[in-house]
Formats: sequence, C-alpha cells, structure tokens
Amino acid sequence: QVQLVQSGAEVKKPGASVKVSCKASGYTFTGYYMHWVRQAPGQGLEWMGWINPNSGDTNYAQKFQDWVTMTRDTSINTAYMELSRLKSDDTAVYYCAMELGRQAFDIWGQGTMVTVSS
Amino acid sequence: QSALTQPASVSGSPGQSITISCTGTSSDVGSYNRVSWYQQHPDKAPKLMIYEGSKRPSGISNRFSGSKSGNTASLTISGLQAEDEADYYCCSYVGGSFYVFGTGTKVTVL
Repeated sequence: QVQLVQSGAEVKKPGASVKVSCKASGYTFTGYYMHWVRQAPGQGLEWMGWINPNSGDTNYAQKFQDWVTMTRDTSINTAYMELSRLKSDDTAVYYCAMELGRQAFDIWGQGTMVTVSS
Repeated sequence: QSALTQPASVSGSPGQSITISCTGTSSDVGSYNRVSWYQQHPDKAPKLMIYEGSKRPSGISNRFSGSKSGNTASLTISGLQAEDEADYYCCSYVGGSFYVFGTGTKVTVL
C-alpha cells in the first residue's frame, strides 16, 4: 500500500540546520508531487512548499523562501526537507504529504518532531 | 497569504449534523474549486476527507460532504458519531502553485 515513512525526532540548537527525510513506497515516487506541512505545538497546519520528484523543481511558501530547501533522491524514493538557521519557533511536527494531482494532500507521513532548544 | 478563517470550535450531539465554515477571499476560496478538508485526531497525522470542494476519497464515509458559496467553503458532518471528534482543517489552492490552510476547528461530540 501507499506509505510515507519519515525520519525520527530531532533536537537542534538555535542557528543549526535540520534535514528530515520522507521515504515513499507503494507507488511511483516520481509521478506525484510531495508537499511539506508543519504544525507547531497546539497550533494549526502550515503549508511550506512542494517538490516535483521527477524534475526536482520546487515551490516554497513566501515565508520559507530563504531558509528551506527541498530535495529528493529518486534512487531510494526519498524526499528531504532541510530547514536552516533554526529558531525556537521552528519547534514543530513536520509532515510530508503526497498529492495525487488534484490539489489536495492525499497521503501523509507520520510526522517528525523537531525541537529547537538551547 | 493569510490563513483561511474557521470557527475555533463546533459541537453537536450524536446523530446530529454540524457544519464547519471556511472563509477566504476572492483570491483563494472564491477563485478556485480546490478546497480540501482534513481530519486530525490528537497526535495523529491529518487525513484527507474532501477534495475539490465536494469530492470524497475512496473509503471516506458519505456522512462527510463539502460545498462552497462565494468565498466560503463548508464541511458538513451528518449523523455525528463519537469518532468524529477531532480537529478539522480546510485548505485552498491559491494559484501560482501555492496553498493556504484554515485556522482549524475543534469538533466536540457532546
């Protein structure tokens, strides 16, 4: 079945970077966009951007333009989201979510908790 | 791009129907028939319930229905059940390959 499995929880210091992975299985990885969404503790969902796994093209929400990088490795069906210059308010659960081409997030990963603390 | 506006909470008794609104602008909800809805139980990943405003993915109960009028989209849950107690989020495509979520609504089954 279609599945997205994310990497484990991370604890980082302010100013550091974090790279979260999202391994896809059960479908053609290069056929569908992968989005990233985050959720701060007790807060709502926030869309960060997407990557086209086939071409590597990306599109980031304006808020994240200068400090997020989304990449992929098609040889291992894995997408990555790297956030740099971390601040305490980047503490959140980060989700990857696959889009089936209908402008919706059809399948979600289990989430990766990133804690930024000195 | 500002978050879409949802009521903070909605409640209902088992068997009743409730409706959650999602208000945007003519630049997002009003311009595109690309509103989706997500259900999120505590400490779980969100789950797609409605896409393209009113379509249900395979396996989603027909108790969930979506609609839109002007700049406001709505999710209706009929025959409310205890398992429907969760947070619900709307999301709209806003053009240029961008998306925006709603503020979220906590549904309580009384």
